[in-house]
Amino acid sequence: AQSVTQLGSHVSVSEGALVLLRCNYSSSVPPYLFWYVQYPNQGLQLLLKYTSAATLVKGINGFEAEFKKSETSFHLTKPSAHMSDAAEYFCAVSSGGSNYKLTFGKGTLLTVNP
Amino acid sequence: EAQVTQNPRYLITVTGKKLTVTCSQNMNHEYMSWYRQDPGLGLRQIYYSMNVEVTDKGDVPEGYKVSRKEKRNFPLILESPSPNQTSLYFCASSPSGTGKGYTFGSGTRLTVV
Repeated sequence: AQSVTQLGSHVSVSEGALVLLRCNYSSSVPPYLFWYVQYPNQGLQLLLKYTSAATLVKGINGFEAEFKKSETSFHLTKPSAHMSDAAEYFCAVSSGGSNYKLTFGKGTLLTVNP
Repeated sequence: EAQVTQNPRYLITVTGKKLTVTCSQNMNHEYMSWYRQDPGLGLRQIYYSMNVEVTDKGDVPEGYKVSRKEKRNFPLILESPSPNQTSLYFCASSPSGTGKGYTFGSGTRLTVV
């Protein structure tokens, strides 16, 4: 079985500060890992993905994430937060024979303060 | 434009009245899936389809039906909706499993009274 835990349902940062959103996964086989962003009243947009290539993955809008197998983590970071980053962020995992299934975390709401 | 289109965007209905939420993709993707999103629970998979005429249950299939008669369409059917099916629904598609990630529709907000 695969699962995702996102630590912190709500993260608040100041504009210009580091953004760190935490994600830990559980998977019995090497996983595919994803971060999605959801802006208010919109669908989900793929930010970045890890599919067994480079462990440091760069995505859109200046975000990046590092796959750490030993820690079963895939934390999302951005060096400097912008007001437009305010959204809900979802980590997701896919693994093994069920590689058509994405299992999502419960989401982290990011607030950016001026 | 490559996209997944869901209709309607908003729907209010009464308990027991059958409804269908349509989903169509124009990217020739094999895989399609339905999710529901509820506060504090994230997204949970309802049903998925690996290709035409091939569908299977996700984590929360009770009360839902799907069909995949054409590659581009994957409608979600609620034969007798109940208030606990009030939720935000997303359709998604992918070209070959999830290695390339799913493309999501804009969502359908369903309220069952």
